[in-house]
Amino acid sequence: QSPLTQPASVSGSPGQSITISCTGTSNDIGNYNLVSWYQQLPGKAPKLIILEVSKRPSGVSDRFSGSKSGNTASLTISGLQAEDEAHYYCFSYAWESTFVFGGGTRLTVL
Amino acid sequence: QVTLRESGPALVKPTQTLTLTCTLSGFSLSTRGVCVTWIRQPPGKALEWLARIDWDDDKYYSTSLKTRLTISKDTSKNQVVLTMTNMDRVDTATYYCAQSVVCDSLDVWGQGTTVTVSS
Repeated sequence: QSPLTQPASVSGSPGQSITISCTGTSNDIGNYNLVSWYQQLPGKAPKLIILEVSKRPSGVSDRFSGSKSGNTASLTISGLQAEDEAHYYCFSYAWESTFVFGGGTRLTVL
Repeated sequence: QVTLRESGPALVKPTQTLTLTCTLSGFSLSTRGVCVTWIRQPPGKALEWLARIDWDDDKYYSTSLKTRLTISKDTSKNQVVLTMTNMDRVDTATYYCAQSVVCDSLDVWGQGTTVTVSS
């Protein structure tokens, strides 16, 4: 149950698009379409922004999108805004009915 | 409106057992499909999945912590309880509970409760 691999940090300017990768194995991301993404603002609890690879919960901006290829899932944020500055975590079902988070990515809006 | 509230001691001593309670409102633990999960986050570090309990009382545990964790529910009180034995300084963290109706994601989170392990 090793953590999924995310880049420690990414950055972008307002209006740009960024992509955060989340790499696992065939025991988790590669074998299940059960990846979700969470946004954690400083000092706050995480918030669900993508579920089941690419579905957006009600109320989440369509600037957030998710995808998956092989053992890697990706979160793309388009039209970057200052309010998007946060930590982002991926989360996946893993084998034997366990779950695993990624190590988290800090997004800086320049 | 679905809300969750974690409660428990702010400070525990090494080797003690930690008991945390997640009190749920706006939904029933006995509703088919509902799941409640515990997650923790050490200061400045990543989230870690700990355990999950489903509406039908199925339980799932982190492989690395399963010998120390017990999750249970009290449907009459709409509460989920997590116990963690043999606490150590490395268990210092904010502990969150989260609810979902599609049990592969964590839809609604509580605000978290901070636990410090220190003698």
